[in-house]
Amino acid sequence: AQSVTQLDSHVSVSEGTPVLLRCNYSSSYSPSLFWYVQHPNKGLQLLLKYTSAATLVKGINGFEAEFKKSETSFHLTKPSAHMSDAAEYFCVVSDRVTGGGNKLTFGTGTQLKVEL
Amino acid sequence: GAVVSQHPSWVICKSGTSVKIECRSLDFQATTMFWYRQFPKQSLMLMATSNEGSKATYEQGVEKDKFLINHASLTLSTLTVTSAHPEDSSFYICSARVGDKMNTEAFFGQGTRLTVV
Repeated sequence: AQSVTQLDSHVSVSEGTPVLLRCNYSSSYSPSLFWYVQHPNKGLQLLLKYTSAATLVKGINGFEAEFKKSETSFHLTKPSAHMSDAAEYFCVVSDRVTGGGNKLTFGTGTQLKVEL
Repeated sequence: GAVVSQHPSWVICKSGTSVKIECRSLDFQATTMFWYRQFPKQSLMLMATSNEGSKATYEQGVEKDKFLINHASLTLSTLTVTSAHPEDSSFYICSARVGDKMNTEAFFGQGTRLTVV
């Protein structure tokens, strides 16, 4: 069975400093991994996705993530935080399920706070 | 990317009434759509998978008679919360994927904030 663990429920950074949001996964196969961002009372927006083409994935708004199979991690980073980055971030894994098809599993989310 | 539109964005209803939420794929056809429920400061919980032209598949613990799903066309799925009660108050989100491959991302609607008074 697949699972996703977001190690930090809350992360607080100062504007202009680096952001690190951690995500570890478990999967029986080679999964696809995604990071989504959710602003208050809004739907989820895709930041980036890993689909085995390249281990370092660049996304929108300056975010990137590196897939490390040996560590079963897919941490999200950004060199310099902006006030507009304050939001909830979800790590999501897509994996095959018994009987065919695939399923999305969501992490519990990390609330990013950006301070002046 | 693909666009999924959800309506209404918020609704307040009286206890005992029913509420319908619409989810539309605007620029692609979606044979499958997904309905999620999100409690405050929590992750998304998959409620059901909506299949065009057939019955929805509900997750364990979700009452299918309470949460009616209809997927009558390739671009529209509806979720009806029947005989709503205050405990049904929540944020409901739909999503759809373009194709069903494992590496296909999901596109989400804007969400619907339901408040039952």
